[in-house]
Amino acid sequence: TAGITQAPTSQILAAGRSMTLRCTQDMRHNAMYWYRQDLGLGLRLIHYSNTAGTTGKGEVPDGYSVSRANTDDFPLTLASAVPSQTSVYFCASSESGEGQPQHFGDGTRLSIL
Amino acid sequence: GQSLEQPSEVTAVEGAIVQINCTYQTSGFYGLSWYQQHDGGAPTFLSYNGLDGLEETGRFSSFLSRSDSYGYLLLQELQMKDSASYFCAVRDAGNYGQNFVFGPGTRLSVLP
Repeated sequence: TAGITQAPTSQILAAGRSMTLRCTQDMRHNAMYWYRQDLGLGLRLIHYSNTAGTTGKGEVPDGYSVSRANTDDFPLTLASAVPSQTSVYFCASSESGEGQPQHFGDGTRLSIL
Repeated sequence: GQSLEQPSEVTAVEGAIVQINCTYQTSGFYGLSWYQQHDGGAPTFLSYNGLDGLEETGRFSSFLSRSDSYGYLLLQELQMKDSASYFCAVRDAGNYGQNFVFGPGTRLSVLP
């Protein structure tokens, strides 16, 4: 089934450790996004990529980095995790252009202790 | 900057009609989108309004008034499966137009 795959589904991580959340899509979408979702705050954009080879900062980029080496993959890295990064992380993709729907992965539940 | 406001909770009974409002403040505007998210699930796209007026998709309709910076999602013939959180979202005109901002979400509870 076509769509977006995120891994891992959940993870418990010690503060100070690094972690890469994986995101792969097979829809050949140009645009990809990483969001975090915290209770009562909705979804907040961390980083995005308009097309392979380019990335941009969203609303809450500090402490996170991304890369877009190809169309399909958009990994999110936490270089040195802190407890405030405990959240549910969603990856999404969309075609370029006005009003294109974003397709979301099932999310990664990350707990930093 | 951008900000969106939605009611935090709405409750309605099966078969009823419910309207979820969204007001926004943005430095630029590329249209208003709506997403549904069931507990523990991923957000799924419902509708998009780029121009003023009503867009209808089955039991769901969405409305936009750009002059009022206001939109709403209308759900008709409510079903139990419509119990979920609903988010409005706008796309910022800056950052090459790819900086999306979501509202805090409205939790809809449909009662039998």
